[in-house]
Amino acid sequence: DIVMTQSPLSLPVTPGETASISCRSSQSLLHDNGFNYVDWYLQKPGQSPQLLIYLGSDRASGVSDRFSGSGSGTDFTLKISRVEAEDVGVYYCMQALQTPCTFGQGTKLEIK
Amino acid sequence: EVQLVESGGGLVQPGRSLRLSCVASGFTFDDHAVHWVRLAPGKGLEWVSGINWNGGLVDYAASVKGRFIISRDNAKNSLYLQMNSLRPADTALYYCARDPHSTLSAGIAFDIWGQGTMVTVSS
Repeated sequence: DIVMTQSPLSLPVTPGETASISCRSSQSLLHDNGFNYVDWYLQKPGQSPQLLIYLGSDRASGVSDRFSGSGSGTDFTLKISRVEAEDVGVYYCMQALQTPCTFGQGTKLEIK
Repeated sequence: EVQLVESGGGLVQPGRSLRLSCVASGFTFDDHAVHWVRLAPGKGLEWVSGINWNGGLVDYAASVKGRFIISRDNAKNSLYLQMNSLRPADTALYYCARDPHSTLSAGIAFDIWGQGTMVTVSS
């Protein structure tokens, strides 16, 4: 199975600042078709997870442009610009290249 | 409104069985693959199982293979998870999640999630 490793696991952020979460996969998620098969999810407190980013950098419908995904191969980053209080929760990367789909451990973002 | 509603969770003894259900509404159910994803207390998300649009292709996490069975009834817009030989490690909140694609090929994503149903395995 592909192992996904996130860092940091805890991320205190001051409102208005930019937060970055790193995700590394144990094998390349770059498909022959040129797409990187990694998704990003956010689970806010008391809510179900929501899809933020798919194919490494495409924002899901309705997701703020403050969220952006980048990277290729085995190294990926989720960036959250101008962090707001409503961004708190646990962020997960997930490899979508093959089943079993595997998630990172999760990064808990909190407001300072 | 597009939504998924799970049911069937509860407290069950180790070794016993439980069947989860998920009813979809607001979209064409058989246009989509669907999955079960769980969140154990104090742990992260774990993909459990997925099924393609017509039920002809299924897949499981190694941790549940041989014990759980995923199925769907498109006429009833419903997804199921038959959970047998339950273990304490299966204790989790189980989510039903829609895939924007119809197959289980590369590009899996979970764009719609239910609210989850809690399964507790304990004597």
